[in-house]
Amino acid sequence: GQNIDQPTEMTATEGAIVQINCTYQTSGFNGLFWYQQHAGEAPTFLSYNVLDGLEEKGRFSSFLSRSKGYSYLLLKELQMKDSASYLCAVTANTGFQKLVFGTGTRLLVSP
Amino acid sequence: GAVVSQHPSWVICKSGTSVKIECRSLDFQATTMFWYRQFPKQSLMLMATSNEGSKATYEQGVEKDKFLINHASLTLSTLTVTSAHPEDSSFYICSARGGAVSYEQYFGPGTRLTVT
Repeated sequence: GQNIDQPTEMTATEGAIVQINCTYQTSGFNGLFWYQQHAGEAPTFLSYNVLDGLEEKGRFSSFLSRSKGYSYLLLKELQMKDSASYLCAVTANTGFQKLVFGTGTRLLVSP
Repeated sequence: GAVVSQHPSWVICKSGTSVKIECRSLDFQATTMFWYRQFPKQSLMLMATSNEGSKATYEQGVEKDKFLINHASLTLSTLTVTSAHPEDSSFYICSARGGAVSYEQYFGPGTRLTVT
């Protein structure tokens, strides 16, 4: 089976930097995704990591360590619109490469 | 590109009736589509995986006779909630894979189902 853990909630201040961690246990690991989801809306794709290291994309960066079963999403220069849930999802090299989502982290950005 | 639509965006139905939700890939052929359910303040839970022309694969604990999935073409999958009950009220989201980026799933906007 697969087990994916994230903190339930985080708070941060506008303009700051926040790191959202995700730990996972899965067999046949084939990639890790980060999605952003605003309330009542569908998830939107942020990043995909399959190899160890840091992927940077504007204000968002994502890091993966396969040996440690660990990833983080780094958000810089936080804006109020970044208040949302951030979902970590893992795909395994079995079946149809389905995504298994973590519990999600609700981020609240305050002024 | 890679747009997925869902219809309806919200629906209210009476207990005991059936509801059909459509998921369409608008500008690409979706070899695989996924159906998720999301309860308030919870994450997405995969219900089933469907491939065009074959039977859906359901996740453990999901009743296949209650949640009927049909993937009749490379651009359309439907989820029918049969004999709906209030506990089926949820946000149902589909996703599709098969676009230009092979690993990515493209999500529809979701359907809010309320069973009274």
